Amino acid sequence: SQQGEEDPQALSIQEGENATMNCSYKTSINNLQWYRQNSGRGLVHLILIRSNEREKHSGRLRVTLDTSKKSSSLLITASRAADTASYFCATDGNTGGFKTIFGAGTRLFVKA
Amino acid sequence: NAGVTQTPKFRVLKTGQSMTLLCAQDMNHEYMYWYRQDPGMGLRLIHYSVGEGTTAKGEVPDGYNVSRLKKQNFLLGLESAAPSQTSVYFCAARLRTAEAFFGQGTRLTVV
Repeated sequence: SQQGEEDPQALSIQEGENATMNCSYKTSINNLQWYRQNSGRGLVHLILIRSNEREKHSGRLRVTLDTSKKSSSLLITASRAADTASYFCATDGNTGGFKTIFGAGTRLFVKA
Repeated sequence: NAGVTQTPKFRVLKTGQSMTLLCAQDMNHEYMYWYRQDPGMGLRLIHYSVGEGTTAKGEVPDGYNVSRLKKQNFLLGLESAAPSQTSVYFCAARLRTAEAFFGQGTRLTVV
């Protein structure tokens, strides 16, 4: 089974609201990454957080990491219609040579 | 600077046919990956490579082979295509401990 699992599977919000997505994983990691995918396109990297970091910001994005709970969250503040996409977390285990494993993703729909 | 380029972008195969998907990167990245993505699902790792001449199995390697003869290229082969291999295939390249850069995908249909 996959290392990362996102929650919720789908999220629908109004423009201007905040969106929170969660990711849980099973084994120890070197880092955790969040990616975005617009329909039918390749993935675009959003943010990487290392195992010794607890929080990271990038523009309207805030990522937290709790290694004791093996979980991470991605917060998008003041969402826009253009944020509509699927969001995936990916983990690099600390064994196995950077075998990057993705979760199933959260589909975010932001209504204008 | 093209980044990661996948060839072809679309392909239809008959059951039992073979084909090779090419991934080329111009970023001199060490690690390269092949994933498949089925409708409504995340990416599943097929094979990956941590350097020229080395490959390793991912989560779903059966039915696929790979080669990395040159650092910039990572080839994914299907020896005898099956309908279950209908999917969108993504290649990625990255430096150690850094983010991955993805190609735009290859949409493969096996009939």
